[in-house]
Amino acid sequence: AQTVTQSQPEMSVQEAETVTLSCTYDTSENNYYLFWYKQPPSRQMILVIRQEAYKQQNATENRFSVNFQKAAKSFSLKISDSQLGDTAMYFCAFMSLPHDMRFGAGTRLTVKP
Amino acid sequence: GAVVSQHPSRVICKSGTSVKIECRSLDFQATTMFWYRQFPKKSLMLMATSNEGSKATYEQGVEKDKFLINHASLTLSTLTVTSAHPEDSSFYICSASGGSGANVLTFGAGSRLTVL
Repeated sequence: AQTVTQSQPEMSVQEAETVTLSCTYDTSENNYYLFWYKQPPSRQMILVIRQEAYKQQNATENRFSVNFQKAAKSFSLKISDSQLGDTAMYFCAFMSLPHDMRFGAGTRLTVKP
Repeated sequence: GAVVSQHPSRVICKSGTSVKIECRSLDFQATTMFWYRQFPKKSLMLMATSNEGSKATYEQGVEKDKFLINHASLTLSTLTVTSAHPEDSSFYICSASGGSGANVLTFGAGSRLTVL
């Protein structure tokens, strides 16, 4: 069974600075997808970024980028130029086909003014 | 973009009654929908996978008779919590595949159930 581990329950960062959230996973599969979701106080799950395991190039979405290390089964999220609106719970997720998605325990990120 | 509507957003019921939560894909057909449960300050736990026109597949430990799932059309899945008890109080979230591209799930806004 796939497991997703987020070892940082809480993190904080000053506005405009950079923060990295960690995620590791365990799987025996070779074809899968990895995601970072953001859950603000509204509880709506918002897709931040996704990575296909077969792609070596790290995904980037504006201020958000990942460091995907397939051999190490590591998938960290870097948020650059942090904004107050980035304050939220962040969940790392693993998806094997077809669409079986599992989540990590989450990291609560607080951006301080 | 793809939208998944979940209703009601909040529901309060008495112990012993049943509650139905709807999950609709508004602008796409979702052959597969998923139901999650989230306890306060915890992660999302997959409860079941719902496929249109067939029986749902439940995760280990989830009571099939307690949490009835129906996926009668390509745009609607329902979760019925039967004979609800206070321990069923939780935040329930649905998601659907097929909206925002291949292998991406779109999530509903969730439903907070409080059983008195």
